[in-house]
Amino acid sequence: DGGITQSPKYLFRKEGQNVTLSCEQNLNHDAMYWYRQDPGQGLRLIYYSQIVNDFQKGDIAEGYSVSREKKESFPLTVTSAQKNPTAFYLCASSIAVRGRTEAFFGQGTRLTVV
Amino acid sequence: AQSVTQLGSHVSVSEGALVLLRCNYSSSVPPYLFWYVQYPNQGLQLLLKYTSAATLVKGINGFEAEFKKSETSFHLTKPSAHMSDAAEYFCAVSDGDAGNMLTFGGGTRLMVKP
Repeated sequence: DGGITQSPKYLFRKEGQNVTLSCEQNLNHDAMYWYRQDPGQGLRLIYYSQIVNDFQKGDIAEGYSVSREKKESFPLTVTSAQKNPTAFYLCASSIAVRGRTEAFFGQGTRLTVV
Repeated sequence: AQSVTQLGSHVSVSEGALVLLRCNYSSSVPPYLFWYVQYPNQGLQLLLKYTSAATLVKGINGFEAEFKKSETSFHLTKPSAHMSDAAEYFCAVSDGDAGNMLTFGGGTRLMVKP
């Protein structure tokens, strides 16, 4: 089955550590996205990539970094510079056309700072 | 730039009653509109989408939504609520000028009482 796989589902991080969240898709989509979800705040865009080796900052990119070395993969690193990293992180992908097609989402990774 | 407003962060209905979840948008270009559903600790799943074809859009699980340009609305309805409909629902609008990037509303949590 085609889809988006995020791992791990739950992740615990000590303060001051960097952690990397994995996102892999086999839908042959060009565009991939990372969103952060906090209770009562909907989804906020962290980074997005429209093509391999290119990515752009979203609304809340500070403290995060990404790479897009392969079409299928778009890992997100939460750095120690992110002051409040505890949240639910969602990866998504879509066909890179203008606006018409929907995004497909992974099952999410819940990150907790301990 | 576009934005989405979902009126009511929490909506409670009785099983068998009408479900109405409100979504209003603003967009400087003809919008593409989407409704997603999210069950606890899971990713988002597409319910339905409007892409400038029929203004009444039917989706999965008996949901439908009507695009009303004059009211800048895209409300989600279901004639008869089921316990399994309890979830969080997100309305989203796509900005075609910037590629396939979605802006999400803050979400509405639907509770279904027996």
